[in-house]
Amino acid sequence: GAGVSQSPRYKVAKRGQDVALRCDPISGHVSLFWYQQALGQGPEFLTYFQNEAQLDKSGLPSDRFFAERPEGSVSTLKIQRTQQEDSAVYLCASSGTGAVAEAFFGQGTRLTVV
Amino acid sequence: AQKITQTQPGMFVQEKEAVTLDCTYDTSDPSYGLFWYKQPSSGEMIFLIYQGSYDQQNATEGRYSLNFQKARKSANLVISASQLGDSAMYFCAMREGLPSGSRLTFGEGTQLTVNP
Repeated sequence: GAGVSQSPRYKVAKRGQDVALRCDPISGHVSLFWYQQALGQGPEFLTYFQNEAQLDKSGLPSDRFFAERPEGSVSTLKIQRTQQEDSAVYLCASSGTGAVAEAFFGQGTRLTVV
Repeated sequence: AQKITQTQPGMFVQEKEAVTLDCTYDTSDPSYGLFWYKQPSSGEMIFLIYQGSYDQQNATEGRYSLNFQKARKSANLVISASQLGDSAMYFCAMREGLPSGSRLTFGEGTQLTVNP
């Protein structure tokens, strides 16, 4: 499809397990963002890539969170030693250039840590 | 201070009527953009409408319009002729500074229910 694709849609992890969440942005989109959305709240910024460069990672909550986009397209968000407070929906968004440059979001990955 | 405030956790509207969802924002940056997104139960965030801080006219997109009052720092979303499919969570968001590479800051959202 032409939209942002995220996988898996759902992930259940045991506390302490490592997880990897994948985002396939819209082809040609330079900017890629990761957001975390807790239940009943608005999304919160985690990190931003411009092509392969991670230009802002100020929203990552701890050093257990790591993101990469090695070839400037697909991105992976990795969470090491998951904890219960990591349970949330992780949204990926990409945007092009232009005055509006609206962000297009994927359907998210719902992570549940048990 | 909250950058985006949505004071209505839940709103109800009758089918075919209009509804206004409130949003106020706080920024000292003269260049910013305001967005509204719809999030149905499937989880995807769907872009609805955009208003730039320098835009002279209120934005409109089909049944959606944005009531932009810059001095009051408000950017309310108006949905006309509500449909059952409009039932969803609605988020107001702001981007400060240049469009490229700037993060979105979201409000807490408003859950809209359209009744038949």
